[in-house]
Amino acid sequence: QSVLTQPPSASGTPGQRVTISCSGSSSNIGSNYVYWYQQLPGTAPKLLIYRNNQRPSGVPDRFSGSKSGTSASLAISGLRSEDEADYYCAAWDDTPVFGTGTKVTVL
Amino acid sequence: QVQLQESGPGLVKPSETLSLTCTVSGGSVSSGSYYWSWIRQPPGKGLEWIGYIYYSGSTNYNPSLKSRVTISVDTSKNQFSLKLSSVTAADTAVYYCAREILFGVDSSDLYFDYWGQGTLVTVSS
Repeated sequence: QSVLTQPPSASGTPGQRVTISCSGSSSNIGSNYVYWYQQLPGTAPKLLIYRNNQRPSGVPDRFSGSKSGTSASLAISGLRSEDEADYYCAAWDDTPVFGTGTKVTVL
Repeated sequence: QVQLQESGPGLVKPSETLSLTCTVSGGSVSSGSYYWSWIRQPPGKGLEWIGYIYYSGSTNYNPSLKSRVTISVDTSKNQFSLKLSSVTAADTAVYYCAREILFGVDSSDLYFDYWGQGTLVTVSS
C-alpha cells in the first residue's frame, strides 16, 4: 500500500484545467523532491515533472507541478484528448515510493 | 537513442524464481551517471519500485521484497538482471526496467528517463 495518496480519478472537458493532488508525510514529500509520471494506456511511464516543478525538455508547459508541506499537485491546463492517461507522483521515503495513481479522463 | 528491452519467461510457477534481463542499447551500464532499476505494475494497479543496481555492483532494494530480490549487472553484455525468488500470484505484474539519472549519493531524485516497454510475468501453475 502506497504512502502517497492520490484521488483515483479526475476529469475535464477539452480546454479545462485539471488538478491532481498527492498527499504524503514529512518522511517523503515533506523532505524530498516530488516527481510526476504520465502513463498512457498500454505504455511505460514517462517523466512529466521533476524536482517538484521542473519540466524535462519536450514536456508542454500545459503541465505544471507544485509542492507545499507534505502535499504536491500536478496541474494540466488546456486539457487535450491526448492527456487521457494515468498519472503517478513519486518521492523518496527511505526508498522510492509511487503514488496510488490518478486516471484522467477527457470528457 | 537509449533503448532498454526486457526479456525472460512470461509464465513462472508458484514457489519458483522469476528471472528477467534488461538489455541496454545506445548507452552503457558501466556509466557512473546512472542507476539501473526494476519497477513493476500488477495488472490494473500502481507502480512499485523493486530496486536498482549501480555499475559497481552496489544495490538498493525495496524492503518489502529485499529477502527475495537479487539484481545483478553484466557489463560485458551491457545487461542487468532481476531475480525474484519464491514467487506467488501476488508477483504477477508487468515488469519494467528503467534508467535513473544519478544526481548525487544523497540526492532524493527519481529521474527515470528511459524505460523498457515492460514484460508481463504471470505466476501460475
